[in-house]
Amino acid sequence: DSGVTQTPKHLITATGQRVTLRCSPRSGDLSVYWYQQSLDQGLQFLIQYYNGEERAKGNILERFSAQQFPDLHSELNLSSLELGDSALYFCASSVAGAPTNEKLFFGSGTQLSVL
Amino acid sequence: AQKITQTQPGMFVQEKEAVTLDCTYDTSDPSYGLFWYKQPSSGEMIFLIYQGSYDQQNATEGRYSLNFQKARKSANLVISASQLGDSAMYFCAMRGLNTGFQKLVFGTGTRLLVSP
Repeated sequence: DSGVTQTPKHLITATGQRVTLRCSPRSGDLSVYWYQQSLDQGLQFLIQYYNGEERAKGNILERFSAQQFPDLHSELNLSSLELGDSALYFCASSVAGAPTNEKLFFGSGTQLSVL
Repeated sequence: AQKITQTQPGMFVQEKEAVTLDCTYDTSDPSYGLFWYKQPSSGEMIFLIYQGSYDQQNATEGRYSLNFQKARKSANLVISASQLGDSAMYFCAMRGLNTGFQKLVFGTGTRLLVSP
């Protein structure tokens, strides 16, 4: 168990809908990352938050947004969902999010299926 | 930009044998870190081993070792004495000091199957 909690584990929804994925980082970790894993794109970095502030942005669509709350949990909001958004969404956390040797601890992921 | 290449989509190994999973990388960063993660069929990503670009010795973690050849920009994972539970996807990843050090860049992965 990595200590990173993601809910829900599975999510099935329809095109055009909006969903929220939740992540609780490991105790003491200030940095949260969101990744998308799909068969055609592999693991893609979406966004990183550090202590409540956005630190880095990757291949995140404008229909997607995220935030990190004062208690350090994070939510990833996906709206106007399309079939191609179906993927496994990972949250990861680390203590600081800066040093090159800092490893990321991943949650079990949320499997999103858009029908 | 950083890039990780894993050229082996799948590997087969017999239980108790050693196996090497290949990883090459490309970066202009003077300082970077290399990681290997394991993803079993259950889906979670499990950290295995880390190698820093300035580390003089190859990293080892139990049955896992990293064959780091900096001049060739390769960071191959060696699993000794394979076990059935090693069957999984394995991802090589890197993180650079200057270019997007906040994030890990992943390769496409290698699926390892361990047979009895």
